[in-house]
Amino acid sequence: GAVVSQHPSWVICKSGTSVKIECRSLDFQATTMFWYRQFPKQSLMLMATSNEGSKATYEQGVEKDKFLINHASLTLSTLTVTSAHPEDSSFYICSAGRPGNNQPQHFGDGTRLSIL
Amino acid sequence: AQTVTQSQPEMSVQEAETVTLSCTYDTSENNYYLFWYKQPPSRQMILVIRQEAYKQQNATENRFSVNFQKAAKSFSLKISDSQLGDTAMYFCAFMKPSAGNMLTFGGGTRLMVKP
Repeated sequence: GAVVSQHPSWVICKSGTSVKIECRSLDFQATTMFWYRQFPKQSLMLMATSNEGSKATYEQGVEKDKFLINHASLTLSTLTVTSAHPEDSSFYICSAGRPGNNQPQHFGDGTRLSIL
Repeated sequence: AQTVTQSQPEMSVQEAETVTLSCTYDTSENNYYLFWYKQPPSRQMILVIRQEAYKQQNATENRFSVNFQKAAKSFSLKISDSQLGDTAMYFCAFMKPSAGNMLTFGGGTRLMVKP
């Protein structure tokens, strides 16, 4: 069964609103989670590393004030797209791995975000 | 920094045949892991197979196997007895434990299995 849960799976909202996406590890604690963005027919692009209890680490070119990440507990990370605009429309997906160096990343089912 | 390259943007194979997807990577690390993930039209990311760099033996999972050539930095995926459900995007990924298990993905290969 799924080990990482992501909600919502699909969001349609008006330009200017903020949207929060949740990523939960279901049966393990994850001190680190990752957020990706994927454009159609392209690979996953890492946006940021979410660190429990500390600030997220953003990849170059990703606006941290636009994409707010909060990792307040060991099982939950949230990505908030603030004042969303049509260009923010995309597929967002998170991942988390069980503790240990040899553990693979498990992915949420992704969130399709459409900004009108 | 690590890079992962998948040189085949698209491939097709007849049902029941065998197909090999290519992946090369570049790293100066000695301890790392390699993965193949499958992304069907539903866009779920599904782990197909993984390989530890310190293991010489190639990983296998049922119809899926890899050819891991560490010196050549090559990590190809072989799918035997292809099934219609294998139609998907396939991503090769590199993981460095020292970077918090962060994955670096290749550009992906779109595989179409034809009846």
